[in-house]
Amino acid sequence: RKEVEQDPGPFNVPEGATVAFNCTYSNSASQSFFWYRQDCRKEPKLLMSVYSSGNEDGRFTAQLNRASQYISLLIRDSKLSDSATYLCVVIKNTGGFKTIFGAGTRLFVKA
Amino acid sequence: GAGVSQSPSNKVTEKGKDVELRCDPISGHTALYWYRQSLGQGLEFLIYFQGNSAPDKSGLPSDRFSAERTGGSVSTLTIQRTQQEDSAVYLCASSPRTGGGYEQYFGPGTRLTVT
Repeated sequence: RKEVEQDPGPFNVPEGATVAFNCTYSNSASQSFFWYRQDCRKEPKLLMSVYSSGNEDGRFTAQLNRASQYISLLIRDSKLSDSATYLCVVIKNTGGFKTIFGAGTRLFVKA
Repeated sequence: GAGVSQSPSNKVTEKGKDVELRCDPISGHTALYWYRQSLGQGLEFLIYFQGNSAPDKSGLPSDRFSAERTGGSVSTLTIQRTQQEDSAVYLCASSPRTGGGYEQYFGPGTRLTVT
């Protein structure tokens, strides 16, 4: 089993839709959590950090559930420009920090 | 300011040759990370540096891979006796420091093709 697992999708949604992605992690030593966005043939870029209390940035909301070991990303009012691959990222500390990326969830927003 | 830069942007090499990939992190960033991404796959962590030292080398796929960082700045990833399965995009990222909570800023990557 992979340490960080995501539904690869693709998710095909119309503009204006609400879409949610989940990401599960297996290591309880995991400390920090992020969502990154990667456009086709581009480098990943930070979308948002994920906090236990949940956090919101405009149309994007991230949640962390430590008990069930998953994080989620909710996108409201989807835009065409939201089409990308969304990467779940977990940093764990097991005597040294290790960054683990999920394989990503592809989102296509259609007009 | 300047972001993370990597060179070359593309590298085609013959199987069995050695290659060196370079990463220039954002000035002042003490943490530097190397990843590779195969076509359609997620990022595979290779190694990270805290200053000039690499606390964790376990992500390097084989002893043909090595990396160093000098002066707390530039890093080179060396692949010896390249194999076709080494073909991938090699991404470098830097961060103000290691540990949780710090955003990693990625360079544009080096696309390596081994023929």
